[in-house]
Amino acid sequence: GAVVSQHPSWVICKSGTSVKIECRSLDFQATTMFWYRQFPKQSLMLMATSNEGSKATYEQGVEKDKFLINHASLTLSTLTVTSAHPEDSSFYICSGRLQETQYFGPGTRLLVL
Amino acid sequence: DQQVKQNSPSLSVQEGRISILNCDYTNSMFDYFLWYKKYPAEGPTFLISISSIKDKNEDGRFTVFLNKSAKHLSLHIVPSQPGDSAVYFCAATNSGTYKYIFGTGTRLKVLA
Repeated sequence: GAVVSQHPSWVICKSGTSVKIECRSLDFQATTMFWYRQFPKQSLMLMATSNEGSKATYEQGVEKDKFLINHASLTLSTLTVTSAHPEDSSFYICSGRLQETQYFGPGTRLLVL
Repeated sequence: DQQVKQNSPSLSVQEGRISILNCDYTNSMFDYFLWYKKYPAEGPTFLISISSIKDKNEDGRFTVFLNKSAKHLSLHIVPSQPGDSAVYFCAATNSGTYKYIFGTGTRLKVLA
């Protein structure tokens, strides 16, 4: 149990375009979902906390207008990287919280050319 | 300010032996701790957790120990298997927010 999926698993886009990443909890309801990014050989850095039906809470230094988060239902959260630039290239991972534990999706590799 | 630290970036262990991975934290408000296993280009997989009201939690080959006075936790894997080779992250959180702070990771290599 406690499976989280992400789509797409990888995406390549041109600079200036927007990219949407979906995060779904498949077998549980996640009132809270989290979005992380990970740079090579570094730890996971929390970007934002997403609560169903309310605005996301962003960590310091994360631009909310650049990384749009929508948590429309108890099983779906989306992250949209707007006007992507090469420095946004990274590995983006979401998680859904079930009680005290976060269960992570497989991640999305974004490459902005 | 790194609130959760894993001071050993890598560890090599012979198959069948014990692997001990360490994690230190600085924030006394943390009251729940977890260990995750991660392969490259994949999301972390939950292994085991411990609440601050306990000092030990065991699940099969995995045991987590918590020393609150030292602000230290460790993960023991016995016996180690080649399939355990991965990067291990510890995470700490406060049960009021459930926002995780991850350590920097330790790459474990189990030699056959």
